[in-house]
Amino acid sequence: EVQLQQSGAELVKPGASVKLSCSASAFNIKDSYMHWVKQRSEQGLEWIGRIDPANGSSKYDPKFQGKATITADTSSNTAYLQLVSLTSEDTAVYYCAVGLPAYWGQGTLVTVSA
Amino acid sequence: DILLTQSPAILSVSPGERVSFSCRASQNIGTSIHWYQQRTNGSPRLLIKYASESISGIPSRFSGSGSGTDFTLSINSVESEDIADYYCQQSNSWPRTFGGGTKLEIK
Repeated sequence: EVQLQQSGAELVKPGASVKLSCSASAFNIKDSYMHWVKQRSEQGLEWIGRIDPANGSSKYDPKFQGKATITADTSSNTAYLQLVSLTSEDTAVYYCAVGLPAYWGQGTLVTVSA
Repeated sequence: DILLTQSPAILSVSPGERVSFSCRASQNIGTSIHWYQQRTNGSPRLLIKYASESISGIPSRFSGSGSGTDFTLSINSVESEDIADYYCQQSNSWPRTFGGGTKLEIK
């Protein structure tokens, strides 16, 4: 069964950075795009970007350029999302997902607060 | 970017009724639309892919239709467990975009 296990909740200070992880099992991440999606409290889904782990190429929604960087480590079958210069606007649940996306992780809550 | 507009924002139906969700794209996207269900505090779950293709493990009461710019997700006979937010998403072009969602309430 395809599973995506995301890292735990983060409490970070404004201006700091954070790196979230998404560990895949029962499939090889080289075989599909890995996506990251943002969801603020009581809001809809926002697509951040995706990486093709087979060649490392990535695409982003322009609004997240400079804010988010997606990487992947095929040796550990894990994708990552790094967020920089965090503000209260970045407080949200971040999901990783694979394929269409067809399968989703459980989400990681990032709270930006002093 | 392709804008997806979902309507209405909230749907309220009685158990056993048929309900339809609308998703309209700002340009022709063929059948590159997918539907997701998100229950409270849960992760999104893929219900329908490519406008009308069924997904293994999803109840048969869920179906999708449409092409071009207008798409519909239908639930044939609503059950209480269907209380959730429903989103459409396009995979025709980058960046991928989601609709704003429709909340399903049960009367």
